[in-house]
Amino acid sequence: EDQVTQSPEALRLQEGESSSLNCSYTVSGLRGLFWYRQDPGKGPEFLFTLYSAGEEKEKERLKATLTKKESFLHITAPKPEDSATYLCAVQVNTGFQKLVFGTGTRLLVSP
Amino acid sequence: NAGVTQTPKFRVLKTGQSMTLLCAQDMNHEYMYWYRQDPGMGLRLIHYSVGEGTTAKGEVPDGYNVSRLKKQNFLLGLESAAPSQTSVYFCASSRGTGLGNIQYFGAGTRLSVL
Repeated sequence: EDQVTQSPEALRLQEGESSSLNCSYTVSGLRGLFWYRQDPGKGPEFLFTLYSAGEEKEKERLKATLTKKESFLHITAPKPEDSATYLCAVQVNTGFQKLVFGTGTRLLVSP
Repeated sequence: NAGVTQTPKFRVLKTGQSMTLLCAQDMNHEYMYWYRQDPGMGLRLIHYSVGEGTTAKGEVPDGYNVSRLKKQNFLLGLESAAPSQTSVYFCASSRGTGLGNIQYFGAGTRLSVL
């Protein structure tokens, strides 16, 4: 069964304290891995797509990396406005190429 | 540029009542999706559509029906609501499902069934 596990469930950081979020997956055929940001009361907002092991993408204070079994979302010198839930999803190749979502990591950055 | 718009934003139903959730997208996307999001669980696919006039079942389709009469609209219906359908419902759309196709989400509908 395709499975996506995110850790930690929740993370509290001080402003400027860098850290990483983890997304591990076991799927039958990975087509791509997506990171989304979700603010309270809003829908997921697309951040990155990664397709192959070794690939990295960056956007402001965020950098996403991918290995054959997991992805990391590195947050460098976070600010309070980075507080959100970060969702990981894998696109699997099972006829219809669906997305399998993890349960997310709730990040709180304190000033 | 509105993207994906969902109506209503909030709704409270009594058990057994029916309702329809509307999703509209202005990006000319072929694919549209309905998900539900529950505490401690990832987003789960209810139904999806690969084009106007077509629909298919996702992971958790029981108790829901959908229709896509126009390319830009995707409707989710609950014929007889149950408390287990209390959830946050998200609509999404994408150009396709191949590499590079991103799903864009609406803001969600928060539904409570009493």
